[in-house]
Amino acid sequence: DAGITQSPRHKVTETGTPVTLRCHQTENHRYMYWYRQDPGHGLRLIHYSYGVKDTDKGEVSDGYSVSRSKTEDFLLTLESATSSQTSVYFCAISESADSFYEQYFGPGTRLTVT
Amino acid sequence: GNSVTQMEGPVTLSEEAFLTINCTYTATGYPSLFWYVQYPGEGLQLLLKATKADDKGSNKGFEATYRKETTSFHLEKGSVQVSDSAVYFCALSVSASKIIFGSGTRLSIRP
Repeated sequence: DAGITQSPRHKVTETGTPVTLRCHQTENHRYMYWYRQDPGHGLRLIHYSYGVKDTDKGEVSDGYSVSRSKTEDFLLTLESATSSQTSVYFCAISESADSFYEQYFGPGTRLTVT
Repeated sequence: GNSVTQMEGPVTLSEEAFLTINCTYTATGYPSLFWYVQYPGEGLQLLLKATKADDKGSNKGFEATYRKETTSFHLEKGSVQVSDSAVYFCALSVSASKIIFGSGTRLSIRP
């Protein structure tokens, strides 16, 4: 199994508070991704990173920011959480184009915004 | 644009039945195609992949063939088991930033 951990695994927070989710990998893969999973929508890309300090927006990036200061860590921040951001968040990693960007996923973080 | 459409679930079958989960795609360029599986409370796991037309991906008794002419990548298994109960996602990748997942199909297998 790919070495990917996410923390916290569960979080309940109030509307308007900042929240940071952490993804940590031990595989030294170049690409890291944050997705959210909601019923009926599959997985939707929030942000991704193609290297240290190199990030870009995905399909549903509004209200989210990311940072990657080390190869192994990718942080997702909700600056001011809203109820629409209640979801399950998955981090994924991918090695390179040679692997056709096949994804390895972390166990997920369930976030509830009340 | 790029998109993946897969059959809606839930799909309920009896043990040892034949399984087909349909997946079609639209893509610019030459996508690679994947099936991922998600068990309750876990992240997605790669089940199989195919990277060019006419390739067949296979794993754990599951198979899918990359059909460029019909833009399809249907998942099949000849005899399902209770342990196959999960949510299955079809996906494509065109580049590092263009990775698209279908909405998932929940499969339940009755003993």
